[in-house]
Amino acid sequence: GQQLNQSPQSMFIQEGEDVSMNCTSSSIFNTWLWYKQDPGEGPVLLIALYKAGELTSNGRLTAQFGITRKDSFLNISASIPSDVGIYFCAGKLIQGAQKLVFGQGTRLTINP
Amino acid sequence: DSGVTQTPKHLITATGQRVTLRCSPRSGDLSVYWYQQSLDQGLQFLIQYYNGEERAKGNILERFSAQQFPDLHSELNLSSLELGDSALYFCASSGDMGWGEQYFGPGTRLTVT
Repeated sequence: GQQLNQSPQSMFIQEGEDVSMNCTSSSIFNTWLWYKQDPGEGPVLLIALYKAGELTSNGRLTAQFGITRKDSFLNISASIPSDVGIYFCAGKLIQGAQKLVFGQGTRLTINP
Repeated sequence: DSGVTQTPKHLITATGQRVTLRCSPRSGDLSVYWYQQSLDQGLQFLIQYYNGEERAKGNILERFSAQQFPDLHSELNLSSLELGDSALYFCASSGDMGWGEQYFGPGTRLTVT
């Protein structure tokens, strides 16, 4: 089945550092979504991308839709304690079953 | 606040029992999606309804069923519960049938003992 490889699985950083994570696949997507989930809560939509090459920001967060349509990147600048959580990518395939495919998540831990 | 509501927040029940989880989508959204998230796992898609009709099925067990009512709220029914069914169950909604931006509810934590 279709899979999204999200990396890294976990990150341990110092407050103030920048963060980068990505999702890759062998399949082509026409939509990429990035979500953040706090423990025991529902995922919250951070950024939505709809065009190859698109670069979109939401505050300190920036996400890009890869040119090949097979990957996406999320960057967080100047991390703060409230950035702690699990970040999920989700992609909508351009062909085949119309559903969102989710990555396995990147767990971000910040040392103050 | 995403605008998606789910009840109950927590549910504890015994093996073999049946439970119903409820979801109200964002105002105006016609699509409802159900997901299961086990401990430290990703989100597993279960089923989608659009304007009352089943639209897509994922890895939903035969013991599980769902429906969407005319007022667009949805219920997920889980029966003959097993210990492995313990998980967070999320509902999400979107304004279209095409799997666009989905907004998630706060989830129902189900514990089967």
